[in-house]
Amino acid sequence: GDSVTQMEGPVTLSEEAFLTINCTYTATGYPSLFWYVQYPGEGLQLLLKATKADDKGSNKGFEATYRKETTSFHLEKGSVQVSDSAVYFCALTWDNYGQNFVFGPGTRLSVLP
Amino acid sequence: EAEVAQSPRYKITEKSQAVAFWCDPISGHATLYWYRQILGQGPELLVQFQDESVVDDSQLPKDRFSAERLKGVDSTLKIQPAELGDSAMYLCASSPGSGGGETQYFGPGTRLLVL
Repeated sequence: GDSVTQMEGPVTLSEEAFLTINCTYTATGYPSLFWYVQYPGEGLQLLLKATKADDKGSNKGFEATYRKETTSFHLEKGSVQVSDSAVYFCALTWDNYGQNFVFGPGTRLSVLP
Repeated sequence: EAEVAQSPRYKITEKSQAVAFWCDPISGHATLYWYRQILGQGPELLVQFQDESVVDDSQLPKDRFSAERLKGVDSTLKIQPAELGDSAMYLCASSPGSGGGETQYFGPGTRLLVL
């Protein structure tokens, strides 16, 4: 079945460091890909998404490019802030009726001042 | 900005007791989802509704869990009896159409602790 794999955390960075969180997926065809973020004690919030190959999603300084050749959707940010400390989830879904999300296990990011 | 509402935010109960969680999706959203998130893991779908109909409840432990969305708006998830292994965050989400490929909007969740 479909699955999403993320780099293991926790990831600890200093403020203003460059961030990469790896995400790869296993699926037949070309699903839509998402990154969600979960701050402590809260639900998930959409961070960005891409619906077809080579699309780049971006939001709040974060970017991810849909790479079909490597089945990847790595999350990047050039300069992280303390406020970016959270858990990041990569997910996929399909454009068919009733299709649901398949979430990765999440990667915890801690940014130190 | 419209949000998904959930209550209660926190619930502590003893095993064998009954618990219920409530979710009010974003107005006009046809699809509603209940997820269970165990600490340190990603959310896992329990049940998906399209309006008042169940689309997918294949992962819902039906011997103890039940869910309803009677009028196709708000929804209730019930556990009876609760077990220690049910301790988790229960998340509700909604999406505007049929769900396929759409962004899901999540509520703040209900954190359940079973003693």
